[in-house]
Amino acid sequence: DVKVTQSSRYLVKRTGEKVFLECVQDMDHENMFWYRQDPGLGLRLIYFSYDVKMKEKGDIPEGYSVSREKKERFSLILESASTNQTSMYLCASSWDRGNQPQHFGDGTRLSIL
Amino acid sequence: RKEVEQDPGPFNVPEGATVAFNCTYSNSASQSFFWYRQDCRKEPKLLMSVYSSGNEDGRFTAQLNRASQYISLLIRDSKLSDSATYLCVVTEYSSASKIIFGSGTRLSIRP
Repeated sequence: DVKVTQSSRYLVKRTGEKVFLECVQDMDHENMFWYRQDPGLGLRLIYFSYDVKMKEKGDIPEGYSVSREKKERFSLILESASTNQTSMYLCASSWDRGNQPQHFGDGTRLSIL
Repeated sequence: RKEVEQDPGPFNVPEGATVAFNCTYSNSASQSFFWYRQDCRKEPKLLMSVYSSGNEDGRFTAQLNRASQYISLLIRDSKLSDSATYLCVVTEYSSASKIIFGSGTRLSIRP
């Protein structure tokens, strides 16, 4: 079974802080994704990566950056957290770019005060 | 028009009923299709892939209609545990692949 692990289930941070969300997958997937999910807006893609040290912007990259130094780990960084970044953050991985399904981590519920 | 559209529901049906919902997509170049289920405050989990010829997994049947550009999910003999939000996912292939999630259809099964 694919295991995607996100570092925290719940996180509370303050406005202006630099926030790191970590994601690790154990299936040697090349493709990893970060989404946020908000009521009424569905899942929105922030960034994705198709290989180590490679990253591409998704639909809403503003205010975020990512790091993929190792194949199994994909980190999402909020450079200076703002209240409108309060959300559920979901990491996913997959074998390829869309033929195979994505597998999601448990999610991180992030609150910015 | 949204790239992938779902009726948000909620669909409220009695236990044991059959329920079906659709997901329409706008790009005829779409190639891969999936149904996910998401419980409240949890992550989406793959329910089933959708194949061109249609496929069945126990009480669940998925169909693809390329001519009308929609996929469907049918649930027979619904259980209380089927209550969840069902997300459709469509992958488009052009210059680069693009994975699009629908906003989900909420299903509530009542005793």
